[in-house]
Amino acid sequence: GENVEQHPSTLSVQEGDSAVIKCTYSDSASNYFPWYKQELGKGPQLIIDIRSNVGEKKDQRIAVTLNKTAKHFSLHITETQPEDSAVYFCAASSDSNYQLIWGAGTKLIIKP
Amino acid sequence: NAGVMQNPRHLVRRRGQEARLRCSPMKGHSHVYWYRQLPEEGLKFMVYLQKENIIDESGMPKERFSAEFPKEGPSILRIQQVVRGDSAAYFCASSLTGGSGTEAFFGQGTRLTVV
Repeated sequence: GENVEQHPSTLSVQEGDSAVIKCTYSDSASNYFPWYKQELGKGPQLIIDIRSNVGEKKDQRIAVTLNKTAKHFSLHITETQPEDSAVYFCAASSDSNYQLIWGAGTKLIIKP
Repeated sequence: NAGVMQNPRHLVRRRGQEARLRCSPMKGHSHVYWYRQLPEEGLKFMVYLQKENIIDESGMPKERFSAEFPKEGPSILRIQQVVRGDSAAYFCASSLTGGSGTEAFFGQGTRLTVV
């Protein structure tokens, strides 16, 4: 079955700098890759997603890139702000397995 | 339009008791998913339901756990004879349609503590 690995587990960046979180997946049939942000005590919130027919997607300070050949996708956050501090999860699913398979999460810390 | 509502937010049960977790999906959503999260881990799929039907329960333990999504009312995740290992955060998500690529909206979760 699908396996999603996420790195790093913790990422500390200076406010205003960029943050990059990377995920790899094992099932070449996976075609949907969402990223979720989870703040302490809250449920995950979708921040951006990408489908396998697209290589890159951007929404203001957030972008996601997908490399289908290498089976990895990344989240990029530019001009980080204190409110970006949270745990970020990547996930993957396919048409034959609609379950979201989640990475282990990255704790992003924005230093003032 | 209220989001996905889960209650209770926190639930404490003694070993051997039953836990009932409720999830009201977003208005108009007929697809519900339950996930379990242990501290500092990602979410693990448990069960996918559509009104009155269990579509996929492959992630749910065969014993003590059950889920339903009746025609009227919230979806219920039921854990019988709870054990300490059941302590976790349980999240419910709902979507307008099913299948891969459908955006799922999550509730705030129910944090179950078994003492």
